[in-house]
Amino acid sequence: DIQMTQSPSSLSASVGDRVTITCRASQGIRNDLNWFQQKPGKAPKALISAASSLQSGVPSKFSGSGSGTEFTLTISNLQTEDFATYYCLQYNSYPRTFGQGTKLEI
Amino acid sequence: EVQLLESGGGLVQRGESLRLSCAASGFSFRSHWMDWVRQAPGKGLEWVANIKEDGSEKNYVDSVKGRFTISRDNARNLLYLQMNSLRAEDTALYFCSRVLMDWGQGTPVTVSS
Repeated sequence: DIQMTQSPSSLSASVGDRVTITCRASQGIRNDLNWFQQKPGKAPKALISAASSLQSGVPSKFSGSGSGTEFTLTISNLQTEDFATYYCLQYNSYPRTFGQGTKLEI
Repeated sequence: EVQLLESGGGLVQRGESLRLSCAASGFSFRSHWMDWVRQAPGKGLEWVANIKEDGSEKNYVDSVKGRFTISRDNARNLLYLQMNSLRAEDTALYFCSRVLMDWGQGTPVTVSS
């Protein structure tokens, strides 16, 4: 199985900050990676697919990059609605695997 | 607008069975892979299974192989997850998803030991 290691597991930031979350795959996955945002009690929301493609309706403050084994999600100009838990997911092989999540807190 | 509505969750005893359903609308259901993903209380997301557009290919995480069966009814736009021999560790909120991009709100499953 491909292991997805996210860092940090939690992150404290302030409104207006720019933050970066990293996801590392245990083997190369090309760019077969999605990023999700999840708020308490809600379903995950897809932000980025194929490592860097912004989903329709997602603000451009979210950006993704990377290929192979190292991936990053960057969120600029943090607002209160951005404080949530973020997950990466690899869909290069089975079983699909998620990172353990990064909780972004004020 | 894509809508996915899960149902069928509940409280069961260890070893019992449950069938989850997911009603899909707002897209061409028969043209998309569909997935089930679960989230144990206070934990992260875990992919469970998926099924090809025509049902000809199914994939599972090892922990549910032989116990869970994913299926679909393209005529009725329904996705299913038959869960047998349930264990305490299967307790989670179960989401259905269209190619892991659009998600339902989930249906809770609690397995009591």
